[in-house]
Amino acid sequence: QVHLVESGGGAVQPGRSLRLSCIGSGFNFSSSTMHWVRQAPGKGLEWVAVISYDGRTRYYIDSVKGRFTLSRDNSKSTVFLQMNSLRPDDMSLYYCVRGGTSGPGKYWGQGTLVTVSS
Amino acid sequence: DVVMTQSPRSLPVTLGQPASISCRSSQTLLYSDGNTYLDWFQLRPGQSPRRLIYKVSNRDSGVPDRFSGSGSGTDFTLKISRVEAEDVGIYYCMQGTHWPVTFGGGTKVEIK
Repeated sequence: QVHLVESGGGAVQPGRSLRLSCIGSGFNFSSSTMHWVRQAPGKGLEWVAVISYDGRTRYYIDSVKGRFTLSRDNSKSTVFLQMNSLRPDDMSLYYCVRGGTSGPGKYWGQGTLVTVSS
Repeated sequence: DVVMTQSPRSLPVTLGQPASISCRSSQTLLYSDGNTYLDWFQLRPGQSPRRLIYKVSNRDSGVPDRFSGSGSGTDFTLKISRVEAEDVGIYYCMQGTHWPVTFGGGTKVEIK
């Protein structure tokens, strides 16, 4: 059974950093593209970033480019989202998602909440 | 970026009656490989998003057959043949043909 478990969320002040982690199990993690999708309070879903199976290719939404960095450790079935210079509009529930045919797929984690406030 | 426009934004439905949600994209979602990467997700209160349909009309395993997807090019539809109480939630279309991936604004389905 596929499981994705995010961690690392929390409350931080604007300008600070957080690192989210997502551990996958029940599937071939090292051959899977992994995405992050977020949902701000009262808002819709927003795709954030993707990392290829081997970590060589990464894409980000414009609003996080230069501030967020994706990486992965396939030996630990883990993907990381380093979030620097956090802004109030980054405040969201962040989901880790296994890649589907194109874009986020069927399997989503439970989400980890990031709160950015002074 | 491809803009995904859903309508209606709110959909009150009587139990047992059909429901239909429209999703329109600002560009064709037909990819050069012949596939159209348009998916539908359901977000129920307190739960993670659940994919219902992928590539326009393919139902995910475990999804009731009252859910169906159709469309092509820029116009797509999610239909629920007979709404049940457990279908309450927000439905999102998502395109994966063009980068970045984009979602529609969501349609809230509620029971009258």
